[in-house]
Amino acid sequence: DAKTTQPTSMDCAEGRAANLPCNHSTISGNEYVYWYRQIHSQGPQYIIHGLKNNETNEMASLIITEDRKSSTLILPHATLRDTAVYYCIAASQAGGTSYGKLTFGQGTILTVHP
Amino acid sequence: KAGVTQTPRYLIKTRGQQVTLSCSPISGHRSVSWYQQTPGQGLQFLFEYFSETQRNKGNFPGRFSGRQFSNSRSEMNVSTLELGDSALYLCASGLGGGADTQYFGPGTRLTVL
Repeated sequence: DAKTTQPTSMDCAEGRAANLPCNHSTISGNEYVYWYRQIHSQGPQYIIHGLKNNETNEMASLIITEDRKSSTLILPHATLRDTAVYYCIAASQAGGTSYGKLTFGQGTILTVHP
Repeated sequence: KAGVTQTPRYLIKTRGQQVTLSCSPISGHRSVSWYQQTPGQGLQFLFEYFSETQRNKGNFPGRFSGRQFSNSRSEMNVSTLELGDSALYLCASGLGGGADTQYFGPGTRLTVL
């Protein structure tokens, strides 16, 4: 799986948009970009994923650059409950040694301030 | 739809003992993956089961094993516990395809004394 690079930490004011960047310059054509978050000591929570096109769901938007080397997760109106560690993961759809395996990095600690 | 459930939520064992953790996936999910999370190593993949077969395995010693039952429920076992096995053990379920979205349970917090 391609390595992803994220900033160690970010701050955001409550009510503002939180834009979390992720670099995945070695991503291959069959790798999706997944975002998960983990609130302290809970299990990771799935947020969104995409392959090429921008995606939006009730939680967030995912913007993937045209060359697929980077992406941005957007939380449109951050709340205090969005304070968490956010993980960007490149996951292959090829199966084999990729089955069931998400490779987590250190993630970005997002702190939302009142 | 009920989420992934894990039992027990907390467990305290002593070195040398063995432990079995249980995971019930989301209804209809046939894939179950297990992860270990420690402050030093972060989240690491242990293994994945699909239709009672282990399809993928991470880099953990043979003391870590698992199985999956016909109803997709899964168990993982750690034998001869070491202090370093203290961790949050997470399971995740999915439909079973490559790059499949996984949904995580709350985890089992294991403390080895």
